[in-house]
Amino acid sequence: QVTLRESGPALVKPSQTLTLTCTFSGFSLNTYEMSVIWIRQPPGKALEWLALVNWDDDKYYDASLRTRLTISKDTSKNQVVLTMTDMDPVDTATYYCARLWFRFHYIDFWGQGTPVVVSS
Amino acid sequence: SYDLTQPPSLSVSPGQAASIACSGDKLGDKYVSWYQQKPGQSPLLVIYQDNKRPSVIPDRFAGFNSGDTATLTISGTQTVDEADYYCQAWDSATVIFGGGTRLTVL
Repeated sequence: QVTLRESGPALVKPSQTLTLTCTFSGFSLNTYEMSVIWIRQPPGKALEWLALVNWDDDKYYDASLRTRLTISKDTSKNQVVLTMTDMDPVDTATYYCARLWFRFHYIDFWGQGTPVVVSS
Repeated sequence: SYDLTQPPSLSVSPGQAASIACSGDKLGDKYVSWYQQKPGQSPLLVIYQDNKRPSVIPDRFAGFNSGDTATLTISGTQTVDEADYYCQAWDSATVIFGGGTRLTVL
């Protein structure tokens, strides 16, 4: 059974760094063509892709946020960590981690999401 | 940058077919996935690789992709299908989502 769970702070102050952890089970990130992806959704708005990390440790970032994002994996812990620097109120959103099959680029399992509010 | 365009909303009566379009330049050359999202829930994959259905998705959901447009069709739409629907593709090392379509069934 594949599960993913996001964890991290619910509230961050402007200019702070957000660190989110995705803990998953039911699959290995060493598996060929497996990826973990981070996506966010501002309140009432559409899904926005942030970053993904592949089985071979290749990393991809949204171009507009690339300078603020870092994604990393720890396969021994079945975790993927996303950091986002210089947080702003416009970054207020629900943040999801999910499993993506890289060859065909579809997301088959999603975490429940974690809401993050950026406010002083 | 590559964009996927969806109509913001669509309204159908129960039992009717609902067709949601997703348009992008030469989208038919890419694989398209579709996700359903109900209020307060995570998205759910309903179509992948243009026209494949996960085993848990009813066969009233179908996908097609050709030219510049991909289409998600729900035949015999039910009230439980009321949700936001997002198309998604991959272009130039980037995951792209459409802006979403709110399907209302009434």
